[in-house]
Amino acid sequence: NAGVTQTPKFQVLKTGQSMTLQCAQDMNHEYMSWYRQDPGMGLRLIHYSVGAGITDQGEVPNGYNVSRSTTEDFPLRLLSAAPSQTSVYFCASSPTGTGAYEQYFGPGTRLTVT
Amino acid sequence: GQQLNQSPQSMFIQEGEDVSMNCTSSSIFNTWLWYKQEPGEGPVLLIALYKAGELTSNGRLTAQFGITRKDSFLNISASIPSDVGIYFCAGQLERGTSYGKLTFGQGTILTVHP
Repeated sequence: NAGVTQTPKFQVLKTGQSMTLQCAQDMNHEYMSWYRQDPGMGLRLIHYSVGAGITDQGEVPNGYNVSRSTTEDFPLRLLSAAPSQTSVYFCASSPTGTGAYEQYFGPGTRLTVT
Repeated sequence: GQQLNQSPQSMFIQEGEDVSMNCTSSSIFNTWLWYKQEPGEGPVLLIALYKAGELTSNGRLTAQFGITRKDSFLNISASIPSDVGIYFCAGQLERGTSYGKLTFGQGTILTVHP
């Protein structure tokens, strides 16, 4: 299994541009989530999904959209990039049941908005 | 949002020393997890705790779910250079608007001198 994969690894955007960060998992996990990591702030939840067709907001959802059309994929869309969205973005997945909170993380996407 | 206070923020130790770090909150959690993150990588799950008072080991790592359910501790015995990284605690609230989502501490940066 490849686990959780994220593309791209690095991205530079200009203010106002849009883009999609890709996330895929091959573990048949129902739960997927997106976090951003900023220095000294730990990881903050952006959006999450408990299954295909179901998404919900996390702690910092503004400026981001998500959809979950399949179990495997959970893309994160930046509609109009802003410098405040410069961060490292991590996608994670976990199974349901007892292990629902044992999240497996991807390698991250480092995004810079100029 | 809900805060987890993780301490210390950083530690500089000699190889062979034991390490202790902890997370505290003003709210009750029903799950505690400890993750390690190495440079350029996503966090990796070390230990998951599901019951108050639970003590769980993973090699040289031992973590405990506090009796009050408001804190958790991680100990690393006989540290080695490859223990270097950022250690995060994460918790899932028992109830409230954050139910079902993980909250992360700010991280403890561990440096081990050979």
